[in-house]
Amino acid sequence: QQPVQSPQAVILREGEDAVINCSSSKALYSVHWYRQKHGEAPVFLMILLKGGEQKGHEKISASFNEKKQQSSLYLTASQLSYSGTYFCGTDPGHGSSNTGKLIFGQGTTLQVKP
Amino acid sequence: NAGVMQNPRHLVRRRGQEARLRCSPMKGHSHVYWYRQLPEEGLKFMVYLQKENIIDESGMPKERFSAEFPKEGPSILRIQQVVRGDSAAYFCASSPPSLGETQYFGPGTRLLVL
Repeated sequence: QQPVQSPQAVILREGEDAVINCSSSKALYSVHWYRQKHGEAPVFLMILLKGGEQKGHEKISASFNEKKQQSSLYLTASQLSYSGTYFCGTDPGHGSSNTGKLIFGQGTTLQVKP
Repeated sequence: NAGVMQNPRHLVRRRGQEARLRCSPMKGHSHVYWYRQLPEEGLKFMVYLQKENIIDESGMPKERFSAEFPKEGPSILRIQQVVRGDSAAYFCASSPPSLGETQYFGPGTRLLVL
């Protein structure tokens, strides 16, 4: 039931790009992406809803393939501040709405070096 | 607009004592969620509440754990007779009344059971 994230860890140089994937075995209503730095709270990045609606930060982009039950987060021109652990949270939905219960993946650790 | 507030930020308890964790949602938010995070692991859903109602408690251990969100005041997560395995970071999140909205996380309470 827990979504699977890949890769588990990524090391980048500043300016490089990265893609983080999130795959679920169940149909999804929405996918939520967060970044967490060590010892801090998860910070919202992006929400993708069934039907194509997206909400999030301007510099972050993501995709949601409903048929494949997959989402990808695209980090371009990475900065040192992008370092942290990225989590996807999935909501299977109930009818035409969210359940509110997010099931999180195990996380992807991203380290950006100067 | 203040964010989600949690207190205390750190809590130390001896085995057998009770732990009370408080969460005040963002202004205008009526949905509250509690998640637990063990060291080096992802976030695990515990419970979803609206004012005076428990919507989904499927992630709550059957014994010793309870949660409430009264008409007035913060949401409370209560752990009775704590054991060492309860040591974790407990995060509260809140979202606006309409379903499908983003969950915003508080700074967390780090519980240590001695």
